[in-house]
Amino acid sequence: GESVGLHLPTLSVQEGDNSIINCAYSNSASDYFIWYKQESGKGPQFIIDIRSNMDKRQGQRVTVLLNKTVKHLSLQIAATQPGDSAVYFCAEEGGTSYGKLTFGQGTILTVHP
Amino acid sequence: DAGVTQSPTHLIKTRGQHVTLRCSPISGHKSVSWYQQVLGQGPQFIFQYYEKEERGRGNFPDRFSARQFPNYSSELNVNALLLGDSALYLCASSLEGQGVELFFGEGSRLTVL
Repeated sequence: GESVGLHLPTLSVQEGDNSIINCAYSNSASDYFIWYKQESGKGPQFIIDIRSNMDKRQGQRVTVLLNKTVKHLSLQIAATQPGDSAVYFCAEEGGTSYGKLTFGQGTILTVHP
Repeated sequence: DAGVTQSPTHLIKTRGQHVTLRCSPISGHKSVSWYQQVLGQGPQFIFQYYEKEERGRGNFPDRFSARQFPNYSSELNVNALLLGDSALYLCASSLEGQGVELFFGEGSRLTVL
């Protein structure tokens, strides 16, 4: 069946450090992989996505890496700031699940000043 | 510009009751999806509607139903509420049916006693 999971449920870093959040997925047919950020009391916010035919995509301070060989997805945040503290979810979409996102459990990122 | 708006933001029901949750998508967005987020977990897909037609349904019982109106707003209905239905119900909209970049509302927090 389809599943998306995370290796680490919590991550604590110091302000200015780089953060890496990992995710494992099992559906080889997924077309897109997406990272969302969810702050307390708010809905998930889109961060960055990557298509299955790519292995790296960069945004502003964020980079997503996709390793299809081992079905692994990661989100790298450069120069992490206290405002980055949130729960981060990976999600996948595609295959036969048109328009449906399958979310992982989430990683709590805490950034200490 | 207004984002996705949901109502009510919080509500308390008792077992066996019925609930209706409402969602207004971003102007111009034709696709609305509903997700259930239980505390400590990632959102789970319930429904997707595009151009007023159901395009996808998640693994939820028939007590859950939804519809989309001509103005693209949507309602989620849950009958015969159970304690396990307590969750944050998220609505998301996107331009097209294959919504990789979903825009989420802040959710309706349902507590079933």
